[in-house]
Amino acid sequence: NAGVTQTPKFRILKIGQSMTLQCTQDMNHNYMYWYRQDPGMGLKLIYYSVGAGITDKGEVPNGYNVSRSTTEDFPLRLELAAPSQTSVYFCASTDRGDETDTQYFGPGTRLTVL
Amino acid sequence: QKEVEQNSGPLSVPEGAIASLNCTYSDRGSQSFFWYRQYSGKSPELIMSIYSNGDKEDGRFTAQLNKASQYVSLLIRDSQPSDSATYLCAVLTGNQFYFGTGTSLTVIP
Repeated sequence: NAGVTQTPKFRILKIGQSMTLQCTQDMNHNYMYWYRQDPGMGLKLIYYSVGAGITDKGEVPNGYNVSRSTTEDFPLRLELAAPSQTSVYFCASTDRGDETDTQYFGPGTRLTVL
Repeated sequence: QKEVEQNSGPLSVPEGAIASLNCTYSDRGSQSFFWYRQYSGKSPELIMSIYSNGDKEDGRFTAQLNKASQYVSLLIRDSQPSDSATYLCAVLTGNQFYFGTGTSLTVIP
C-alpha cells in the first residue's frame, strides 16, 4: 500500500505562473483534504472533498482550485502564483466512520514562489 | 472563526519525565479531537484520537478531553529523546479539521 502520494516534492515557481499539485490515495477513502503549512505554524485547510464530484472550501481557499473526478485523485491547482503561496502543501485522506477519523497524510510538496 | 490554541512552547523535559501538552478550542460543536506528532521536514502522524469526555490511554500516551471546558491535553510518560517533535492539536468540526500552531517538545537525554 502506497497510502497517500504527492507530486512533485519540490517546486519553484515564478510570480504569475500556474501549476497543479497532484495527490493520489489507494485506500479507497471518500474524504480528502488539502492543507498548507507555513513555517512555525499549524495546518490550514484549503479545500476538501467528501467524495468524487463533491468539493468545498476550507479556511484559506483564495488563489486555489480543486477537482475530484475519481475517488483516488484530488489535484490542487494554483493559478497566478504569488509569494504568499510559498508554503508546504499536504494532502490527506480519511474514511469517516464511528470514531475512525484518522487522517493519513502525504509526504508534502514544498513550493517556493519567487 | 473557529480557533484551536495550544500552550506556547518550546517545552523541554528531561528523559524519563512527564511532558504535558495543552489545547483549547472555541467551537462547542466540535465532535472529535486529535494529537499529531510532526518531525521536522516530515508530515504529521496521528498518535491519539479522543471522542468522549475523560481519559484515553495508549502506551506512554494519555489524552484527556473536557468538553465543558473545551480543553484537550496530552500527557507523555517516560519521555524519550525520540519524542522530540512538534505536537499538533486538531479538532474536527463538521467535515473540517482545525489545527493549532503546535508545541515543540525537546526531550533532553
